[in-house]
Amino acid sequence: NAGVMQNPRHLVRRRGQEARLRCSPVKGHSHVYWYRQLPEEGLKFMVYLQKENIIDESGMPKERFSAEFPKEGPSILRIQQVVRGDSAAYFCASSPLGQGAPGGYTFGSGTRLTVV
Amino acid sequence: AQTVTQSQPEMSVQEAETVTLSCTYDTSENNYYLFWYKQPPSRQMILVIRQEAYKQQNATENRFSVNFQKAAKSFSLKISDSQLGDTAMYFCAFMKEAGTASKLTFGTGTRLQVTL
Repeated sequence: NAGVMQNPRHLVRRRGQEARLRCSPVKGHSHVYWYRQLPEEGLKFMVYLQKENIIDESGMPKERFSAEFPKEGPSILRIQQVVRGDSAAYFCASSPLGQGAPGGYTFGSGTRLTVV
Repeated sequence: AQTVTQSQPEMSVQEAETVTLSCTYDTSENNYYLFWYKQPPSRQMILVIRQEAYKQQNATENRFSVNFQKAAKSFSLKISDSQLGDTAMYFCAFMKEAGTASKLTFGTGTRLQVTL
């Protein structure tokens, strides 16, 4: 039973390019969360999705960022026209039935995005 | 809004000794969950221990235990018999009672170094 799979593990983009981060949740989990970790900081919530629905995007920047979790395939976090301030580690987590606790929250290993 | 504060950016402990990491939080909720996560250099977020606020008994997981003081809004982590493999960043996190928006609020972390 594989855990949460994120790819790529490392991603380098030039300023102005697009970044696509992928997250495959634990098999059977239908809820996905994205978090961002800036250097030397804790993780900050970005968005919570169910299949084909965005439930809570209160932590997402209003511009350039979008997320989806289609009926088939992984969840995608998309960052358009990246800037240096987007450099961070992006983590995905999944849970069954929206119950983040207790113990139902599984994190991936993250994607480290570097914007040059 | 909830906040989580970790006032110790760095801690050091000798192998086999005991160390306590501090965490305080602020919330108006009565029912919630508290967590300690470990993040080693591999970047993987690993759940160490969790506590349900309605339980008065402090949670324990092998060498890890917490001191949960609900009135003081304090949630410290004690690591006994420290091992070199405990070297990592440790994050305290808060979650409102599980529901449709079960997002985690993290502190800024404590970097723990276990030495010989």
